[in-house]
Amino acid sequence: GEDVEQSLFLSVREGDSSVINCTYTDSSSTYLYWYKQEPGAGLQLLTYIFSNMDMKQDQRLTVLLNKKDKHLSLRIADTQTGDSAIYFCAESPGSSNTGKLIFGQGTTLQVKP
Amino acid sequence: NAGVTQTPKFQVLKTGQSMTLQCAQDMNHEYMSWYRQDPGMGLRLIHYSVGAGITDQGEVPNGYNVSRSTTEDFPLRLLSAAPSQTSVYFCASSYSTTYTGELFFGEGSRLTVL
Repeated sequence: GEDVEQSLFLSVREGDSSVINCTYTDSSSTYLYWYKQEPGAGLQLLTYIFSNMDMKQDQRLTVLLNKKDKHLSLRIADTQTGDSAIYFCAESPGSSNTGKLIFGQGTTLQVKP
Repeated sequence: NAGVTQTPKFQVLKTGQSMTLQCAQDMNHEYMSWYRQDPGMGLRLIHYSVGAGITDQGEVPNGYNVSRSTTEDFPLRLLSAAPSQTSVYFCASSYSTTYTGELFFGEGSRLTVL
């Protein structure tokens, strides 16, 4: 079945770059997503990438997609303490929008001043 | 717009009790779903609905029931609560026609079963 895997924890210093990695199994996923969850809150969409793209940049965020290896990464440049949160990778299984997303375990990003 | 609203935010139950987690959205979204979040396990899909009157099981449906009588509401029922159902529950919704499939989440309902 579909599966999404992430490492559980990443710690960086303020101002450094953060890279969060994710692997997924469904090669037919049309979109792949990064969600952010701040303490005590629900998840909010951070960014997404279409499966026919290799890279997407949005201000401090860069998403890289390697379809051959089914590997997705999120790079946050100039990481700030406000970026401390849990980051979830997710895929939308199948080639059409079904309203179902499969999430990874979440990576807790700790930013030290 | 309120978005996705979940109630209650916190609940403590005893083993064997039943309860309903409420979810309502005011965005006229066709798709709605329930996830549970447990440490180290991410979000796992419990049940989902692609429209009023249509529901289906997700990855971890046992012990939960859902119904979708209106577009706006998607309640989750725990039939006989067990300690294994201690978790944070999230309701989410999305448009059926949006090409990105983005989910909009509620703020969560934290449930403890003693």
